[in-house]
Amino acid sequence: GEDVEQSLFLSVREGDSSVINCTYTDSSSTYLYWYKQEPGAGLQLLTYIFSNMDMKQDQRLTVLLNKKDKHLSLRIADTQTGDSAIYFCAESPGGYQKVTFGTGTKLQVIP
Amino acid sequence: SQTIHQWPATLVQPVGSPLSLECTVEGTSNPNLYWYRQAAGRGLQLLFYSVGIGQISSEVPQNLSASRPQDRQFILSSKKLLLSDSGFYLCAWNGADYGYTFGSGTRLTVV
Repeated sequence: GEDVEQSLFLSVREGDSSVINCTYTDSSSTYLYWYKQEPGAGLQLLTYIFSNMDMKQDQRLTVLLNKKDKHLSLRIADTQTGDSAIYFCAESPGGYQKVTFGTGTKLQVIP
Repeated sequence: SQTIHQWPATLVQPVGSPLSLECTVEGTSNPNLYWYRQAAGRGLQLLFYSVGIGQISSEVPQNLSASRPQDRQFILSSKKLLLSDSGFYLCAWNGADYGYTFGSGTRLTVV
């Protein structure tokens, strides 16, 4: 079955860049997502990328996709304390298909 | 616009008591609906999903059940809660190509 893996924890200093990595196994993945979960809240869709794209940039966020290696990354530039959260990588074949989530990476931003 | 409502936000229940968590979606019809549980602020465990009224698929055998009495209503229930049912419960709906939209979650503590 589908599998999405992430490292569990990342710690960075405020103002530095954060890079959160993710690998997936399903070659039919069409959509790849990054969700953010702040403490005590539901998940919020941050950004997504289609599988025919290599990169997507949205303000401080840059998503890189290496389809050959099935590797997805999320780079947060100028990381702020408000970026502290759990970040989930996810993939889906698209349409109304189920989304498969990774285990989440907890990002700690040190002031 | 589409919105998803989930309640209550927090719940403390004794062992052996019943449970009913409700999720409703507005602004869409015939959504795919999901119940997830998240233990200790980490990974998401898919519990149930529904593609239509009365159609429930269970992903994990457990002490819980789900029902979909109306198109935009999804209910998570238990007849007798166990300590192990404690966790953060999230409802979500599938908005086609843009992944899931999540509710704000219910923190359940079984004492």
